[in-house]
Amino acid sequence: AQSVTQLDSHVSVSEGTPVLLRCNYSSSYSPSLFWYVQHPNKGLQLLLKYTSAATLVKGINGFEAEFKKSETSFHLTKPSAHMSDAAEYFCVVSGWNQGGKLIFGQGTELSVKP
Amino acid sequence: SAVISQKPSRDICQRGTSLTIQCQVDSQVTMMFWYRQQPGQSLTLIATANQGSEATYESGFVIDKFPISRPNLTFSTLTVSNMSPEDSSIYLCSAAPDRGTDTQYFGPGTRLTVL
Repeated sequence: AQSVTQLDSHVSVSEGTPVLLRCNYSSSYSPSLFWYVQHPNKGLQLLLKYTSAATLVKGINGFEAEFKKSETSFHLTKPSAHMSDAAEYFCVVSGWNQGGKLIFGQGTELSVKP
Repeated sequence: SAVISQKPSRDICQRGTSLTIQCQVDSQVTMMFWYRQQPGQSLTLIATANQGSEATYESGFVIDKFPISRPNLTFSTLTVSNMSPEDSSIYLCSAAPDRGTDTQYFGPGTRLTVL
């Protein structure tokens, strides 16, 4: 069975400081991993995706994530937070042999202080 | 990628009534999905809707409560039947349009409040 655990339910940073959102996964298969962002009263937007082509994945808005198989982690980072980054972030795992189903983590709420 | 729209964007309904949510994709897709996001919670998959076959429901969700239609490759509906306040949630549809990948793109969601 596949699962994903987001280690922090809430992260607060100051504008201009680095962002780290932590995610660990469990999968019996070679997984696809995603990060999605949900701004208040908005739908989900795809930030980035890992599919085994490269362990360091660059996404939109300056975000990137590194796949570490030995640690079963897929942490999301950004060098410098912006006020507009305040949102809910979801780490997601997919097993393509699972019929395309996505398994969502519980989400991490990112707050950015001025 | 894909652009996905949903209607209505929000609704307030009375207990015991039903609401049908529409999902439109700007390209033809084989796989569409419906999710529920309860207040303050993550997303839970309700069902997978493939064109030409009956929807496949996840554990805890049944067709009588959440009937789904998939009449063509760009459109799907989800009905929330005999609603109760516990059905108050955001309902999102998604599609996987990119051949050979499992990337899903999401609609903006329908915010449902049941009184």
